[in-house]
Amino acid sequence: GDSVTQTEGQVALSEEDFLTIHCNYSASGYPALFWYVQYPGEGPQFLFRASRDKEKGSSRGFEATYDKGTTSFHLRKASVQESDSAVYYCALGAYYNQGKLIFGQGTKLSIKP
Amino acid sequence: GGIITQTPKFLIGQEGQKLTLKCQQNFNHDTMYWYRQDSGKGLRLIYYSITENDLQKGDLSEGYDASREKKSSFSLTVTSAQKNEMAVFLCASSIQTRGQNTLYFGAGTRLSVL
Repeated sequence: GDSVTQTEGQVALSEEDFLTIHCNYSASGYPALFWYVQYPGEGPQFLFRASRDKEKGSSRGFEATYDKGTTSFHLRKASVQESDSAVYYCALGAYYNQGKLIFGQGTKLSIKP
Repeated sequence: GGIITQTPKFLIGQEGQKLTLKCQQNFNHDTMYWYRQDSGKGLRLIYYSITENDLQKGDLSEGYDASREKKSSFSLTVTSAQKNEMAVFLCASSIQTRGQNTLYFGAGTRLSVL
């Protein structure tokens, strides 16, 4: 079946550091790929998505590029801020899944001021 | 814009108890979902509904029932709470069912079983 793997369970950085959170997927065809962010006490919020090979999604300084060759959708940000501390989820959606999203395990990002 | 409201925010139950969680959305979305969130395991789908009175099982449906009597509401029942169980239950909705659609989430119901 389809799956999403996030390599890092936790990431700790200082402000202005460069961020990469790795996301790899396994699925048939061209699924849509998503990033969600979850702050403490809240539900996950949609960050952005991409649907085609080489398409870049971006929002709030975060970006990721759909790469079908490496089956990846890594999240990057050039300069993180303390307010970026949250849990980040990569997810996959496919037309044959009736709208269901399959989520990765999540990556907890902690930023030291 | 719209909002998804989950009630209650916190739920404390006893082992073996039947517990009901409620979700309301005003997006006018067709499809609604219940996910369970456990630390280190991501979000796992319990039930979803593509329209009023429709129910579809997810990967984690055993031990749960669901009900979609109106387009705007979707309830989840824990049929027999397990001792020491702790999890967050998240309700979500989306505009249609053909896949690749953005889901919008509520803030969650946090369950603790004594």
